[in-house]
Amino acid sequence: ELVLTQSPGTLSLSPGERAALSCRASQRLTHNYLAWYQQKPGQAPRLLIYGASTRATDVPDRFGGSGSGTDFTLTISGVEPEDFAVYYCQHFGPSSPWTFGQGTRLEIK
Amino acid sequence: DVLLVQSGAEVKKPGESLTISCKSSGYTFSNHFIAWVRQMPGKGPEYMGVISPSDSETIYSPSFQGQVTISVDASTSTTYLHWRSLKASDTATYYCARLLALHCGRATCHGFDPWGQGSLVTVSS
Repeated sequence: ELVLTQSPGTLSLSPGERAALSCRASQRLTHNYLAWYQQKPGQAPRLLIYGASTRATDVPDRFGGSGSGTDFTLTISGVEPEDFAVYYCQHFGPSSPWTFGQGTRLEIK
Repeated sequence: DVLLVQSGAEVKKPGESLTISCKSSGYTFSNHFIAWVRQMPGKGPEYMGVISPSDSETIYSPSFQGQVTISVDASTSTTYLHWRSLKASDTATYYCARLLALHCGRATCHGFDPWGQGSLVTVSS
């Protein structure tokens, strides 16, 4: 089973700072089958990025995805107050259950 | 608007059966698979499985195979998640989500969007 490992577990930043969240896969992901989600307390996850780098509908352009193979990054160019949440990556590889990473909590410093 | 609306919270005893539902609207139901995701208290999401509304083909994550049953009623655009015999460890919030298949260059990429609001299932004696 493909395992996704996210780091750091918690990221403490001030509004306006740049955030970089990492997601590492235990096997190479073909076609960059990786998505990123944001989850706020008491809410369902929200799709941010698919195909490793394409923003979903209505996602602000301060969110960006990059990477390939086994190493992927979600970047927030300037964190806004509403961005403090937990972020998960998920893979959509063809030969494994579509597992999620364990999450990175972005908190206010 | 595309909406997935789930059934309400449930409190059950171990050994009881349960079915929760997810009703889709705002799009052509048969065109998109529906997935189920478990999220235990304070933990991350776990993918359970996915079903095709057009032919009811179902793929389960190995961790959930034999533990739950996913089904669909295309006539009402509703997807179901069923337990025959609940355990305390089934206590969690369960989400349904639409599987998007999107063009990414020469490939087709995927994402879950949107998600239902979640159904909290509590199993306790």
